[in-house]
Amino acid sequence: NAGVTQTPKFRILKIGQSMTLQCTQDMNHNYMYWYRQDPGMGLKLIYYSVGAGITDKGEVPNGYNVSRSTTEDFPLRLELAAPSQTSVYFCASSKRDSLYEQYFGPGTRLTVT
Amino acid sequence: TQLLEQSPQFLSIQEGENLTVYCNSSSVFSSLQWYRQEPGEGPVLLVTVVTGGEVKKLKRLTFQFGDARKDSSLHITAAQPGDTGLYLCAGVDNSGGYQKVTFGIGTKLQVIP
Repeated sequence: NAGVTQTPKFRILKIGQSMTLQCTQDMNHNYMYWYRQDPGMGLKLIYYSVGAGITDKGEVPNGYNVSRSTTEDFPLRLELAAPSQTSVYFCASSKRDSLYEQYFGPGTRLTVT
Repeated sequence: TQLLEQSPQFLSIQEGENLTVYCNSSSVFSSLQWYRQEPGEGPVLLVTVVTGGEVKKLKRLTFQFGDARKDSSLHITAAQPGDTGLYLCAGVDNSGGYQKVTFGIGTKLQVIP
């Protein structure tokens, strides 16, 4: 199993550009998450999904959109990129049980200039 | 808002020393997870503790969940350079009929050979 894969690994965007961060998991997990990690701020939840076709906002959803058309894929869309979106983005997945143990991807380092 | 405070934020020790890091909250959690994150990678789950007072051992790492399920500690015996990384705790709350996972900002550990 590859686990959780994310692409790209690195990206530089200009202000106002858009892009999609890709996330795929091959563990048949129901739950998937997007986090951003900034220095000294910990992991902040952007969006999550409890299954195909179902998504919900997390703590910091503004400026982002998601979709979940399949169990495996959970892309994160940035529209009109802003410098405040410079961060490291992690996708994670977990089984639908009471423990919610998360498996993380390797991350995407995004810089908006 | 549930908050998890981790201390210390930074720790630099010599190889062979023992250390303890703490994760504290005023909220009760259903379970608590510990992750280790190495530079340029995503967090990796180390352990989940579920029962108040529970102690789990993973080789030289000992995890304890507080009796009231509001706090946790991680003790490392005879630290090695391979233990270097960011240690994150995450509290899981199932009480609202849905799961909420809150991450602390982490303890950055450096073990000097």
